[in-house]
Amino acid sequence: LAKTTQPISMDSYEGQEVNITCSHNNIATNDYITWYQQFPSQGPRFIIQGYKTKVTNEVASLFIPADRKSSTLSLPRVSLSDTAVYYCLVDRSGGGADGLTFGKGTHLIIQP
Amino acid sequence: GAVVSQHPSRVICKSGTSVKIECRSLDFQATTMFWYRQFPKQSLMLMATSNEGSKATYEQGVEKDKFLINHASLTLSTLTVTSAHPEDSSFYICSARPQGWEETQYFGPGTRLLVL
Repeated sequence: LAKTTQPISMDSYEGQEVNITCSHNNIATNDYITWYQQFPSQGPRFIIQGYKTKVTNEVASLFIPADRKSSTLSLPRVSLSDTAVYYCLVDRSGGGADGLTFGKGTHLIIQP
Repeated sequence: GAVVSQHPSRVICKSGTSVKIECRSLDFQATTMFWYRQFPKQSLMLMATSNEGSKATYEQGVEKDKFLINHASLTLSTLTVTSAHPEDSSFYICSARPQGWEETQYFGPGTRLLVL
């Protein structure tokens, strides 16, 4: 499975839109892109998943360009409670691990 | 929906004892579950893949005789840390793939293990 690269950290302010980009240059045809949020001492929480173009749910949007070599998680109007580590994960339909690897994640810090 | 539980949430044990951690998918069935370990300020590291009805698959460097995995049903996988030592102290997290949506995994809340 494709390895991922994200910025190590980002800062923003309450009420702003935050965009976190992840690179996955070796993504394969049957790979999906999933983003997770993790707070200290908790398991990762599913945010959003996509295959191509744009996906939106009640908490975020996910933008995936045509070549799928990157993806951008967009968090609208962030609040202090959005301070967390965000991981993008390239995962494969079919169930197995196949080199399933979490990157280092992006530590997002929201200030008042 | 898509809730995964783990038990216990925290455990403290003496060196040399064994500890069992349970992972349950509460509202879906999962043929495949994963076990991860996470050290402070680090990312999740995959330890093994647990497959219902068959042997687990371990990642390179993970001792299968030390970390015993049993996936006896479509909703339960267990990880037993045998003869635990202080260096096994970590945060253990499981995840489960819903049947029919197998490019996704949902994570449990994690289990904090402290070996004295």
